[in-house]
Amino acid sequence: GAGVSQSPSNKVTEKGKDVELRCDPISGHTALYWYRQSLGQGLEFLIYFQGNSAPDKSGLPSDRFSAERTGGSVSTLTIQRTQQEDSAVYLCASSLVIRGSSGANVLTFGAGSRLTVL
Amino acid sequence: AQSVAQPEDQVNVAEGNPLTVKCTYSVSGNPYLFWYVQYPNRGLQFLLKYITGDNLVKGSYGFEAEFNKSQTSFHLKKPSALVSDSALYFCAVRDMKRTGGGADGLTFGKGTHLIIQP
Repeated sequence: GAGVSQSPSNKVTEKGKDVELRCDPISGHTALYWYRQSLGQGLEFLIYFQGNSAPDKSGLPSDRFSAERTGGSVSTLTIQRTQQEDSAVYLCASSLVIRGSSGANVLTFGAGSRLTVL
Repeated sequence: AQSVAQPEDQVNVAEGNPLTVKCTYSVSGNPYLFWYVQYPNRGLQFLLKYITGDNLVKGSYGFEAEFNKSQTSFHLKKPSALVSDSALYFCAVRDMKRTGGGADGLTFGKGTHLIIQP
């Protein structure tokens, strides 16, 4: 697609419920990132996928958080047994990894999924 | 560890005046530095980046930033502010000695709200 698409744009759920957030990256972008944006906290790295390599899960805050990327394209971030502190905007970004320019490639972000846990 | 500091939560500037949004960073290797802008209910948009070469980098919408290695700073500037520049601005760094977090994964500052008053 023309940009990074995320759904739902807004999600309100009750504490203890599971939620799934979806990201559809730019076609051809091999790298996909999930970040969390909390009020006054900036952006927090969650997880990274690159091609067929094992994902970098070093940013996931607890084992209630998981993500998968099917077929090297669409990704789903799952939060189990949601807590109120999970309320945030979850941003997905993708990039085209060009050999020899690691670190310099621009991330393209989606509009985010705003999660509110009551 | 790499980190980014944006010391001002909010910057207020009158329309037509020059603006500066401050950013300092800490890395163990050479930095790649980025500025992104976020408009309400939108994802982050890339403004400019410093990789190597000329310390003064020009980007979108008339913005520029100056890389200062001795002061470990990368302040964002614009000669004449517009009301439409009002948004949330994020500085980000990629430490080229860092592994993990993705080939292009970034560490972001907490963001600075820029308010341009008519």
